[in-house]
Amino acid sequence: AQSVSQHNHHVILSEAASLELGCNYSYGGTVNLFWYVQYPGQHLQLLLKYFSGDPLVKGIKGFEAEFIKSKFSFNLRKPSVQWSDTAEYFCAVNAGTGFQKLVFGTGTRLLVSP
Amino acid sequence: DADVTQTPRNRITKTGKRIMLECSQTKGHDRMYWYRQDPGLGLRLIYYSFDVKDINKGEISDGYSVSRQAQAKFSLSLESAIPNQTALYFCATSDSGLNSPLHFGNGTRLTVT
Repeated sequence: AQSVSQHNHHVILSEAASLELGCNYSYGGTVNLFWYVQYPGQHLQLLLKYFSGDPLVKGIKGFEAEFIKSKFSFNLRKPSVQWSDTAEYFCAVNAGTGFQKLVFGTGTRLLVSP
Repeated sequence: DADVTQTPRNRITKTGKRIMLECSQTKGHDRMYWYRQDPGLGLRLIYYSFDVKDINKGEISDGYSVSRQAQAKFSLSLESAIPNQTALYFCATSDSGLNSPLHFGNGTRLTVT
């Protein structure tokens, strides 16, 4: 069965610091990869996604993620965080079964201090 | 207006009570889902539906049931609520494309006392 690991449960950064959130998955076949963000009190929103092609994908609000197949990883990055990036971030994997049945990681709660 | 609307937003109920959470969407998507979110556990799939005639169990369906009343409506029921069903519940939709992302509602916070 697929699984998704997010090793950082809580991250605290100051504004302008660089961010990297780890995501590893366990599945040997073709995967579709997603990062979702949940701002305080809000629903999950899609941040970015990878299906194929260039392994470096860019999303909204200056976020990007790199798919490294050999490491089964899809880490999220942002060069300079803002206070408004305070949120919970979820990595999700769909094993390309032909059905959008995502498996979510446990989430990383990011707090950016001004 | 929200594309995926959940009602109620908050609900407190007692152990043993039956409760229904409702979800409606204006996105015209065929696929609808119910997830629960628990701190430290992420989101887990309860039930999903390809279309009105198709209902499938997710990874944690025990103690829950669903009804797809129409393409736009998908309700989740707790037949006899128990305290460990206290959680944040999300409805989501997607169209039928392989790579279609999920669109989430604003969630229902359920507390079972």
